Amino acid sequence: KQEVTQIPAALSVPEGENLVLNCSFTDSAIYNLQWFRQDPGKGLTSLLLIQSSQREQTSGRLNASLDKSSGRSTLYIAASQPGDSATYLCAVGSPNNAGNMLTFGGGTRLMVKP
Amino acid sequence: DGGITQSPKYLFRKEGQNVTLSCEQNLNHDAMYWYRQDPGQGLRLIYYSQIVNDFQKGDIAEGYSVSREKKESFPLTVTSAQKNPTAFYLCASSGSLLLETQYFGPGTRLLVL
Repeated sequence: KQEVTQIPAALSVPEGENLVLNCSFTDSAIYNLQWFRQDPGKGLTSLLLIQSSQREQTSGRLNASLDKSSGRSTLYIAASQPGDSATYLCAVGSPNNAGNMLTFGGGTRLMVKP
Repeated sequence: DGGITQSPKYLFRKEGQNVTLSCEQNLNHDAMYWYRQDPGQGLRLIYYSQIVNDFQKGDIAEGYSVSREKKESFPLTVTSAQKNPTAFYLCASSGSLLLETQYFGPGTRLLVL
């Protein structure tokens, strides 16, 4: 069964720093990997989707990489801003899940201080 | 505006009561999903549906039921058999089962009185 882990669970940085969030998964046979953002008490917003054939995806200040062989993905946030404060969730789509659904990590709670 | 709506935002359940959470989408998506989120944790899949009149159990389906009579709607019933229903419930949809981004609704927070 696929398991997804996110480290660290919480992170606090000063505004302007570049930072990296980590996601690891146990089964490399995946279809894709997604990074989501969740604000407190809200739903999820998709940030980046990486298909299994891709190595990275970029959107603005965000860059996500995927290394299937090592079971890892990173989300790089450049020049962090207070508005980036949220919980970031990694989710893996793999054929070994019941019905080929997404398996979510526990999230990294990010606080960017002004 | 296209999107996913969930209602109510907050729902209170009495002991032994069944309650139904609404999820509607106007994105013309075939696939819909229900997730449960407990404090400080990731999402766990309850049920999913690939097409109208078809649905499958996820990882934690016990104590829940769903229906998919219309493409736009995928209501979730939390039955009295679910002994620990307090959680944040999220509905999502996607154009296909696997390869496309899932779009999420705003969520319903269920509390037990």
